[in-house]
Amino acid sequence: AQKVTQAQTEISVVEKEDVTLDCVYETRDTTYYLFWYKQPPSGELVFLIRRNSFDEQNEISGRYSWNFQKSTSSFNFTITASQVVDSAVYFCAQISNFGNEKLTFGTGTRLTIIP
Amino acid sequence: DTGVSQNPRHKITKRGQNVTFRCDPISEHNRLYWYRQTLGQGPEFLTYFQNEAQLEKSRLLSDRFSAERPKGSFSTLEIQRTEQGDSAMYLCASTRASGGTQYFGPGTRLTVL
Repeated sequence: AQKVTQAQTEISVVEKEDVTLDCVYETRDTTYYLFWYKQPPSGELVFLIRRNSFDEQNEISGRYSWNFQKSTSSFNFTITASQVVDSAVYFCAQISNFGNEKLTFGTGTRLTIIP
Repeated sequence: DTGVSQNPRHKITKRGQNVTFRCDPISEHNRLYWYRQTLGQGPEFLTYFQNEAQLEKSRLLSDRFSAERPKGSFSTLEIQRTEQGDSAMYLCASTRASGGTQYFGPGTRLTVL
């Protein structure tokens, strides 16, 4: 069975602080993909990153960075020097069941950046 | 590429009425997905098309729900005899290939009174 856990329901930080969003996944498959999506108040899910299970290299994109650790089944997301525009709900998701490849989402973390 | 589009963006209906939503995927994306998202939750898978073939339906999709993708292009999701529990955001996503990134549309927010 696939499961994604985002234990942090809501986080608030003051602008310019760094913040890390946690994601823990469960899967029995050896091949899988992990994703992060951003959902701003407008409601549209915006793709941020895709990672496959064979690539544990951390990734940095501007103020965003991702830490993938298979040993702990975690795929954490850090925003450096947060900005008000980062306020949104962030979802971690995985695809494990090759065939239909449906996304299994966590419950999301609501991030509020306080100006 | 233009993104995934969905219509209408909002739909308010009375219980018992039928509603139909439309999704236009990114051109040349042969896989299309429908998800449902309720307040405070992540999206949940409803059904999946590869080209015009509907390959899987979730147990969440009761007999009142039907989806089609004629000619492998746009897709429609119909809900018959709507119930208040159907109130949710209905999201459509498309992807080009196996293991590819799913790109989402803006969603259709359904409110059943």
